[in-house]
This record gives sequence, structure tokens and C-alpha cells, in this order.
Amino acid sequence: DGGITQSPKYLFRKEGQNVTLSCEQNLNHDAMYWYRQDPGQGLRLIYYSQIVNDFQKGDIAEGYSVSREKKESFPLTVTSAQKNPTAFYLCASSSRSVNTEAFFGQGTRLTVV
Amino acid sequence: AQSVTQLGSHVSVSEGALVLLRCNYSSSVPPYLFWYVQYPNQGLQLLLKYTSAATLVKGINGFEAEFKKSETSFHLTKPSAHMSDAAEYFCAVSLPGYGNKLVFGAGTILRVKS
Repeated sequence: DGGITQSPKYLFRKEGQNVTLSCEQNLNHDAMYWYRQDPGQGLRLIYYSQIVNDFQKGDIAEGYSVSREKKESFPLTVTSAQKNPTAFYLCASSSRSVNTEAFFGQGTRLTVV
Repeated sequence: AQSVTQLGSHVSVSEGALVLLRCNYSSSVPPYLFWYVQYPNQGLQLLLKYTSAATLVKGINGFEAEFKKSETSFHLTKPSAHMSDAAEYFCAVSLPGYGNKLVFGAGTILRVKS
């Protein structure tokens, strides 16, 4: 079945550590996205990529980094520079056609301990 | 800049009652509009999308939404609420030529009372 797989589902990080969240899709989509979700704030765009080896900052990119070496994969690294990393992180993908919806993974809940 | 406003962070209805979740957008050009649903600790699932082919859009699980350009609105409705409709609902907008980036509203949590 086609879809988006995020791993792990739950992740705990000590302060000062970098962690990487995995996102893999087999939908043959060109575009991939990372969103952060906090209660009452909806989803905010962290980074997005329209094509392999290219990505753009979203609205809240500070403290995060990404790579897009393969079409299927778009990992997100939460660095120690992100001061408030505890949140629910959602990865999505879509085609580049106009008026196309994004498909979402099941999310990773990151908690700083 | 495009933005989305969802009126009411929490909406409570009785089972069998009408569901109305409000969404207004601000955009200088006609946007593409979407409604998503999220169950606890899960990803988002598409309910419906506005394609400009018809102003009244029907989606899954009996939901529908009407695009009203004059009111810049895209409210989500369902004639009769079911307990399984309890979830959080997000309205989202994207603009042509902006790479299909979605801008989301803050979400509305729907509670269904028995």
C-alpha cells in the first residue's frame, strides 16, 4: 500500500542533543513537507522540498535542518538550537500539480526530558 | 499573504444535530481550499477539497462544504452528527504557484454528546 511512514512514533530527547525524525514515502511524490503541531496553533510549516536536492525554509525553520538526497526520503533534524522542541511533528507529501492535496504520515511526538 | 481563520476552537453538538465548522480565508486571488480531520495522536486525513469546478463540495463521511467568494468562506457542515465525528478539524488554503504549500487554521475540536 502506498503511503507515508514516519518513525519513531514517540521520541525522547535530552536537552542539548540533536535528534533526527524519519519520513519515507512511496507515493512517487515530488514535494515533501514538515509541519510542527502545538495545541491551539494548528500546523506550522518548518521546511519543504519540491524536488530532490532542493529545499526551502518555512515559517519556523530556526533550530531545524533537513536533507533531500532521495525522492522517497525527507528526514528532519531537530538541533540543540531549537529552544522549545517538544511538539507533534507531521510529515506530508504531494504531487506538484495544482490543486492537489497533501498526504500525511502518522506523526512523531517529540518530548524533551 | 494568505491566512485562514477558524471561528471557535471548540464546538459541541448533540448526536444527530447539525455540525457547522466555520472557516474564513484571506487571499487576493482565488485559493485552493481543503478540510482535514485529525483523530488523537494521528496524522491528518483529507475530508474534501475545493477545485473551483463546483461551489458545493461533497466529501467523505457525509461532510460537505460550500465555497462563498463574496464571504471568503468555506464552512464545513454535516446534517447529522455521529459519535465517531468527534475529532479535530483543520481548514487549509494554498495558492496557485506557491508549490502547494498549505497554510492551516488553528483547528476546531468537535465534541459530540450522546
